[in-house]
Amino acid sequence: DIVMTQSPDSLAVSLGERATINCKSSQSVLYTSNNKNYLAWYQQKPGQPPKLLISWASTRESGVPDRFSGSGSGTDFTLTISSLQAEDVAVYYCQQYFNTRAYTFGQGTKLEIK
Amino acid sequence: QVQLVQSGAEVKKPGASVKVSCKASGYTFNDYFIHWVRQAPGQGLEWMGRINPTSGAANFAQKFQGRVTMTRDTSISTVYMDLSKLKSDDTAIYFCARGAAAGVVPFDNWGQGTLVTVSS
Repeated sequence: DIVMTQSPDSLAVSLGERATINCKSSQSVLYTSNNKNYLAWYQQKPGQPPKLLISWASTRESGVPDRFSGSGSGTDFTLTISSLQAEDVAVYYCQQYFNTRAYTFGQGTKLEIK
Repeated sequence: QVQLVQSGAEVKKPGASVKVSCKASGYTFNDYFIHWVRQAPGQGLEWMGRINPTSGAANFAQKFQGRVTMTRDTSISTVYMDLSKLKSDDTAIYFCARGAAAGVVPFDNWGQGTLVTVSS
């Protein structure tokens, strides 16, 4: 299985500041025939199911604020929140969907307000 | 709008089985796989498997093979996940989520979750 490792495990950022979460996969999730990275980011708030934020490493879902952005390719990826808002407090997960026999998630990064 | 509505919380004894349902609405049922993901208390997300609503074919994470079955009733747009031989560490919230059947995509809509508690 592809192992997804996020860093840091937790993060405290001041309102209005930038938050950066990293995700590393144990093998490449880039499908070279279409040049797409099979990597998604989810946001989970307490008591709620996860919400898909970004797919294909960098494509925001409809309705997701543009302060959220994803970048990276191959095995190294980043989720950036450009200006943290109070409603962004949540746990964030990366997920690979390259191996459809075994989808895997990172362990999660807890984002809090400093 | 797209909705996945799951059945209610369950309390089971070790060794028992649990069946959780996920009723889909607001889209063409056969156009999306249904995945099951669980989350132990205070822990991360763990993919269990998926079912193709059109064919009924399912594949499972190796960890759950032999203990999980997934079925569907297309007449009521509902998918079921059955987990047997329950242990205390199966205590978790179980989510269903959809992913498009045409192509490989992430999970764009999720059910509200079903808490399964395994306790003697």
